[in-house]
Amino acid sequence: RKEVEQDPGPFNVPEGATVAFNCTYSNSASQSFFWYRQDCRKEPKLLMSVYSSGNEDGRFTAQLNRASQYISLLIRDSKLSDSATYLCVVYSGNTGKLIFGQGTTLQVKP
Amino acid sequence: IAGITQAPTSQILAAGRRMTLRCTQDMRHNAMYWYRQDLGLGLRLIHYSNTAGTTGKGEVPDGYSVSRANTDDFPLTLASAVPSQTSVYFCASSLQEGAQQFFGPGTRLTVL
Repeated sequence: RKEVEQDPGPFNVPEGATVAFNCTYSNSASQSFFWYRQDCRKEPKLLMSVYSSGNEDGRFTAQLNRASQYISLLIRDSKLSDSATYLCVVYSGNTGKLIFGQGTTLQVKP
Repeated sequence: IAGITQAPTSQILAAGRRMTLRCTQDMRHNAMYWYRQDLGLGLRLIHYSNTAGTTGKGEVPDGYSVSRANTDDFPLTLASAVPSQTSVYFCASSLQEGAQQFFGPGTRLTVL
């Protein structure tokens, strides 16, 4: 089993739609969680950190469920510019490394 | 320099040749990392350095070496390139281990 698993998609949605991605992780000792965004042929960039209480940044909401070991990303009112690959990232203190999921591809269509 | 830079942007290399990918950051970050990204496999950690003077092996270190002589620079060397090392290579840095990582623009390497 991979340490961090994501549905690769692609998710094809119309503009204005709400879309949600889930990500599961296997190490119960994981301490920090992030969502990164990667545009085609570009470097990954931090979208948002994920806090235990959940957090929101504009149209984006991230949530963490430690009991079930998954994190989620909700995008409301999708824009064409949201088209990208979204990477789930987990940090475990006992390995000392960030582990990246393979990414979920979102394509927002007019 | 602002942030983290990599050179070259892209390179075509004959198998068996030696190649060094350069990475420099000006954020005074303690930790630096090298990843390779291949279709269907995501980002895989090659080597890392938690502080100047120390390095460690990641998930896929074979065929690669690194050094960290100072805080800013973290070169990655392929001693004798093989076609399976064809990939996109990203360098990243973070203030400390486990913190948000900032990525360079990547180097596209093709080994023929």
